[in-house]
Amino acid sequence: DVKVTQSSRYLVKRTGEKVFLECVQDMDHENMFWYRQDPGLGLRLIYFSYDVKMKEKGDIPEGYSVSREKKERFSLILESASTNQTSMYLCASRRTAWHTNEKLFFGSGTQLSVL
Amino acid sequence: GENVEQHPSTLSVQEGDSAVIKCTYSDSASNYFPWYKQELGKRPQLIIDIRSNVGEKKDQRIAVTLNKTAKHFSLHITETQPEDSAVYFCAARGNQAGTALIFGKGTTLSVSS
Repeated sequence: DVKVTQSSRYLVKRTGEKVFLECVQDMDHENMFWYRQDPGLGLRLIYFSYDVKMKEKGDIPEGYSVSREKKERFSLILESASTNQTSMYLCASRRTAWHTNEKLFFGSGTQLSVL
Repeated sequence: GENVEQHPSTLSVQEGDSAVIKCTYSDSASNYFPWYKQELGKRPQLIIDIRSNVGEKKDQRIAVTLNKTAKHFSLHITETQPEDSAVYFCAARGNQAGTALIFGKGTTLSVSS
């Protein structure tokens, strides 16, 4: 089965720090995504990448950037962490849109607390 | 961009009852509609999906229906069991290159025995 691994399960950072969230998938998937999950707000798309070095803004990209230098790795960067970025961050990957199997594979999430 | 509305936000049923969760989407070009289930403390998992060329799809106790004209789709769970208790998310994907899934806000389903 596809494995999507997020580097940290829990992370505590200070306001103003630069934060890196790492995600690695092992199934050669083209597309990778970063969502944040907040109670009552569901899964909101931050950024996604449909191929190496490609990136697209999602619905809430402000305060975030991403990097995809290698196909298997997609990093989310909080340039200057703020308390309103305290959230559960979920990484996901899929082969590609319109593939017969479009299933999204999620990582186990990183619970980030910004103090 | 796409916007997905999901109702209700919470749903409580007795074991054996049916449960229905409804979603509407805004982009008439969207053509793929999956449902994900997230159990407490776990990652979301795909349970069923439907494409716009199909009106209904069934998999054992779960079914999804799609009304393209009205731009809404629904998840139906029959003979609910306590293990169906979870948060359910609907989602929609547009019809352009590299598009991402946009999720609804989720429905917390509680099945009591």
